[in-house]
Amino acid sequence: KNQVEQSPQSLIILEGKNCTLQCNYTVSPFSNLRWYKQDTGRGPVSLTIMTFSENTKSNGRYTATLDADTKQSSLHITASQLSDSASYICVVSDRGSTLGRLYFGRGTQLTVWP
Amino acid sequence: EADIYQTPRYLVIGTGKKITLECSQTMGHDKMYWYQQDPGMELHLIHYSYGVNSTEKGDLSSESTVSRIRTEHFPLTLESARPSHTSQYLCASSEPGQGNNYEQYFGPGTRLTVT
Repeated sequence: KNQVEQSPQSLIILEGKNCTLQCNYTVSPFSNLRWYKQDTGRGPVSLTIMTFSENTKSNGRYTATLDADTKQSSLHITASQLSDSASYICVVSDRGSTLGRLYFGRGTQLTVWP
Repeated sequence: EADIYQTPRYLVIGTGKKITLECSQTMGHDKMYWYQQDPGMELHLIHYSYGVNSTEKGDLSSESTVSRIRTEHFPLTLESARPSHTSQYLCASSEPGQGNNYEQYFGPGTRLTVT
């Protein structure tokens, strides 16, 4: 069964600190892995997309890593800011269908305190 | 910021009413999607469209229906709302890309409450 599991479920950190969010998946055949940021009451916004051949990708203070062998990904946030408070969703796409089905994790709820 | 819009943003309505959630995008994308999301849970695909006059049901069974008469417009309709339909509904569209490496843009969502 294609699944995406994220940990931790929630995380609280102080402003300026770094943190790492984890994602494990069982989606096969794998096409790509995305990280989205979803502010409360808003739609998700894409942070990174990584294909099988990419093992790291950065977007400002966000750095995603991918280990396709162990089917794990992480999202590292550097020097956190209050505006980083949001849900971070790991999404994996398969290549077994024309649509490119997306499998969503439940997200990690990050809260940054001043 | 993606040019995809949803109205209304919030809707509280009584049981049995017919409702239509609007979604429009100005990017000329052929593929459009409707997702349902409950608090703390993952997004579930309920409908998608490859283009005009194309609509398909997604993974999660839904009593809603959709139509795609124009490229930019993908409304979702519930003929008779029930409390079980209370949820957040997110519309998305995607640009053409190589294989499945397309970017998917989401609207702000409609928070529906059925009393």
